[in-house]
Amino acid sequence: EAGVTQSPTHLIKTRGQQATLRCSPISGHTSVYWYQQALGLGLQFLLWYDEGEERNRGNFPPRFSGRQFPNYSSELNVNALELEDSALYLCASSLGRTGTVGELFFGEGSRLTVL
Amino acid sequence: AQKITQTQPGMFVQEKEAVTLDCTYDTSDPSYGLFWYKQPSSGEMIFLIYQGSYDQQNATEGRYSLNFQKARKSANLVISASQLGDSAMYFCAMSPGAGSYQLTFGKGTKLSVIP
Repeated sequence: EAGVTQSPTHLIKTRGQQATLRCSPISGHTSVYWYQQALGLGLQFLLWYDEGEERNRGNFPPRFSGRQFPNYSSELNVNALELEDSALYLCASSLGRTGTVGELFFGEGSRLTVL
Repeated sequence: AQKITQTQPGMFVQEKEAVTLDCTYDTSDPSYGLFWYKQPSSGEMIFLIYQGSYDQQNATEGRYSLNFQKARKSANLVISASQLGDSAMYFCAMSPGAGSYQLTFGKGTKLSVIP
């Protein structure tokens, strides 16, 4: 069974540009979570999508946005990129709010570098 | 708001020895979950162990055990018989209870296993 897949693996952008990151959850998982892992800051919750809707977002500005498609894959968009947006962006999926404990599976992440 | 504190930026352990990674937490929610994840250099977050706030017994998963002391708000990870493959970053995380994997992460501990 395929795990959570993320693309691209690496992305280099310049300040002011837009970045789009993609995530495919494990088959049958309906919830997708996005986390940002900046250097030295640990993982910070960004967005949670479940059944196609945004359920919650972390303390990030509106230029961080996303969506979940009918097949439960998800896209994270970062507009007007700033240098501090450079980070590893991790996507995770679960069976949704009825999933059992521990069933949160992460992808290997997309590393965004803003120059 | 929930908060996780990991006070050990780095730890060294001899192969085959046991090691304890510290984690303290703060929350006003009566119901919560505590997680430990391992992050090798590849970037993927690997689930290790979970403890629910109402669980009476400490969680164990193979060589991993969670020393849960509710009154002290600590959830230390104990790895027995360390192996070279255990070298990685380890993150303690907390969820707001059932229904969501909107996790709050600590900053992590880098464990190095010495042959």
